[in-house]
Amino acid sequence: SQQGEEDPQALSIQEGENATMNCSYKTSINNLQWYRQNSGRGLVHLILIRSNEREKHSGRLRVTLDTSKKSSSLLITASRAADTASYFCATHSQGGSEKLVFGKGTKLTVNP
Amino acid sequence: DVKVTQSSRYLVKRTGEKVFLECVQDMDHENMFWYRQDPGLGLRLIYFSYDVKMKEKGDIPEGYSVSREKKERFSLILESASTNQTSMYLCASRVPSRYEQYFGPGTRLTVT
Repeated sequence: SQQGEEDPQALSIQEGENATMNCSYKTSINNLQWYRQNSGRGLVHLILIRSNEREKHSGRLRVTLDTSKKSSSLLITASRAADTASYFCATHSQGGSEKLVFGKGTKLTVNP
Repeated sequence: DVKVTQSSRYLVKRTGEKVFLECVQDMDHENMFWYRQDPGLGLRLIYFSYDVKMKEKGDIPEGYSVSREKKERFSLILESASTNQTSMYLCASRVPSRYEQYFGPGTRLTVT
């Protein structure tokens, strides 16, 4: 079952601009993760935020989590053409399940 | 760096054939996963394995089976391939104490 839903489905920006992607989910979570997938390749883990955290940074990435609204956002600052990829949020539910539930992704295009 | 490899990048098989997809990880991870990825549906979990000889059904196990005889290797088996199993197949691994998953490059399977 799909829990995370990303918004927008597609986003096109110019190099140097910031890109914001949102994710909503339905049930209580242990943590939320963001992954990147270049076209035709496997997923790469970007960042994990735990349910008791509100914000986390990693380089040009900033992730926020609002558990009251069951939502998260991923901000990529000063985007580059190499950031062109699909971005997925994935939730790890409370209760000890080993399963990650992925959203359908946001396709980001950064134009040079 | 964790390395997850998959036996083929592209595979074409005929309806009714038995298909083996192999996944190998080199970091002694206990947990391994098989997903399929389809446009508009995102990633869906087929099977996962906690450890050697242990397996659990994911969300869409019908038509698939798995084998985990050694810790580093997790095989996905399509007993009798059908056209609706044409998809991108992704393998992943992780250690139980950490939540992020490491993905292989994927196998794009076409069943004709």
